[in-house]
Amino acid sequence: ELKVEQNPLFLSMQEEKNYTIYCNYSTTSDRLYWYRQDPGKSLESLFVLLSNGAVKQEGRLMASLDTKARLSTLHITAAVHDLSATYFCAVEDQAGTALIFGKGTTLSVSS
Amino acid sequence: DAEITQSPRHKITETGRQVTLACHQTWNHNNMFWYRQDLGHGLRLIHYSYGVQDTNKGEVSDGYSVSRSNTEDLPLTLESAASSQTSVYFCASSEGNEQFFGPGTRLTVL
Repeated sequence: ELKVEQNPLFLSMQEEKNYTIYCNYSTTSDRLYWYRQDPGKSLESLFVLLSNGAVKQEGRLMASLDTKARLSTLHITAAVHDLSATYFCAVEDQAGTALIFGKGTTLSVSS
Repeated sequence: DAEITQSPRHKITETGRQVTLACHQTWNHNNMFWYRQDLGHGLRLIHYSYGVQDTNKGEVSDGYSVSRSNTEDLPLTLESAASSQTSVYFCASSEGNEQFFGPGTRLTVL
């Protein structure tokens, strides 16, 4: 059974500091997804990582994938209040279509 | 613009009633999914479909059913609603690498 674990589940961040969220998964998969969810809203796609060593960056967020370690990281550079949200990682199941989600990491940025 | 919609956005019902949540997408995607989101659990897969007349059970399918009679729609039915089915339900569709999510339906079962 494919399991996806995120840590930490909650992260209180100070503005302008750097942080990392970790996403571990239990079986072989080459595709990993990061989503953002604001309170009461739907999920917004952030990154799609399709192969070992993939790295993608958008603004202050950078995601990477190590399929050998079954680990993805979401790095936040110089946190700002606008990044406060819940971030989910998800991995494709072995059939290659449905997504299995982690429990999410809720980020709160304070000045 | 192509999109994915869900209706109703909010629903309150009573235990034992049958409830159907609608999901409609205009991307012509073959793959469609239903998830539920509960605090502390993230999103969990209920049912999914790879195309017309195809349906598959997900992780938490008990008490739910789906049918796929056309490409655009995947309605989710709760045959006899239970309080444990109070949740936020998200529909998604995909073709290729990325899933796109609908706005969600908040269902309360009293």
